[in-house]
Amino acid sequence: AQTVTQSQPEMSVQEAETVTLSCTYDTSENNYYLFWYKQPPSRQMILVIRQEAYKQQNATENRFSVNFQKAAKSFSLKISDSQLGDTAMYFCAFEDGGSQGNLIFGKGTKLSVKP
Amino acid sequence: EAGVAQSPRYKIIEKRQSVAFWCNPISGHATLYWYQQILGQGPKLLIQFQNNGVVDDSQLPKDRFSAERLKGVDSTLKIQPAKLEDSAVYLCASSLDTVQETQYFGPGTRLLVL
Repeated sequence: AQTVTQSQPEMSVQEAETVTLSCTYDTSENNYYLFWYKQPPSRQMILVIRQEAYKQQNATENRFSVNFQKAAKSFSLKISDSQLGDTAMYFCAFEDGGSQGNLIFGKGTKLSVKP
Repeated sequence: EAGVAQSPRYKIIEKRQSVAFWCNPISGHATLYWYQQILGQGPKLLIQFQNNGVVDDSQLPKDRFSAERLKGVDSTLKIQPAKLEDSAVYLCASSLDTVQETQYFGPGTRLLVL
């Protein structure tokens, strides 16, 4: 069974600094997708970034980028120029390419951006 | 474009009572998901619909949980009877299709069972 591990329960960063959130996963599949979701205190889960396993190029969305290491089964999220609005729970999620959409989530990392 | 709507936002019930949650997905989205998020954990899939058919309900506790998606649009999730361990946030999500499509989440319903 696939598993997703986020080893950092909580992290903090100063405004305008850079922070990296870690995620590792375990799978025997070769075709899959990885996601980072953000869940602010209002509880609406929002997609931050996604990565297809067959793509070697790391995904980037504005201030958010990932470091996808397929062999190491690692998928970290880098947030540059952190803003107060980035304060939230961040969940790493895995989707098996043949699973018809079943997302498997990690336990999350609580990120606090301090002024 | 309107997002995924859920109601109620909060619900407090006593154990052994029943409760129902409602979800209205994004217009045109064929796939609808119900997740359970227990405090301190990531969401866990309970059931997935493709239009009005069930795709995956392997993690749904069928002795007390039920869900339906009539006409392939709105969906309701019911718990009867509720247990203390059902206290959680119930998230509804929808996507255009299944694999490769982004899932969009609603605000969730926070359930407290006393």
